[in-house]
Amino acid sequence: QQQVKQSPQSLIVQKGGISIINCAYENTAFDYFPWYQQFPGKGPALLIAIRPDVSEKKEGRFTISFNKSAKQFSLHIMDSQPGDSATYFCAATVGSQGNLIFGKGTKLSVKP
Amino acid sequence: KAGVTQTPRYLIKTRGQQVTLSCSPISGHRSVSWYQQTPGQGLQFLFEYFSETQRNKGNFPGRFSGRQFSNSRSEMNVSTLELGDSALYLCASKPLITGELFFGEGSRLTVL
Repeated sequence: QQQVKQSPQSLIVQKGGISIINCAYENTAFDYFPWYQQFPGKGPALLIAIRPDVSEKKEGRFTISFNKSAKQFSLHIMDSQPGDSATYFCAATVGSQGNLIFGKGTKLSVKP
Repeated sequence: KAGVTQTPRYLIKTRGQQVTLSCSPISGHRSVSWYQQTPGQGLQFLFEYFSETQRNKGNFPGRFSGRQFSNSRSEMNVSTLELGDSALYLCASKPLITGELFFGEGSRLTVL
């Protein structure tokens, strides 16, 4: 019940295309859903986050879509750029001070 | 503001040895969490310390331990190393108000 399942494991997108990464969870107590971005040799960094009281949050080219009834949330990267090539992790937790449970990550490659 | 600092960045040990990793959080952050990152399992929560007390613990054997000092700096120790302990160990600090984790660049441990 504590798992967060992420798909796909890897994704190749052409420059300018849309990258979509999906996550599903089971614990209905989760109320904070962040996405982290990790470049090689670096630690993950917060990209964007959402709470279940909204169905969508957009920050620049990055959008989280949230479906509470389906217990799913996804990251959309519009106009994908080679600089977006990284590993993306979805996560979930209960409360802002809870421990983040991470998905297994998606390695995104954006081809020029 | 300086980020999360982890030392050492790389280390090689042999089976049966023990290792101590160090983490200095962002100034003012009192919560420090440790994660193990491997290609197969992704990011797995080890433990969290807050004000020198272990607040949460993940599902790892007792060979994995940690502590936090009064200046919020934290160390984690792995005793009787096994080959499977080879991983990137990430430390993250968190401010009181938000749930955002700020990660260091990690300590990459190789066990031979």
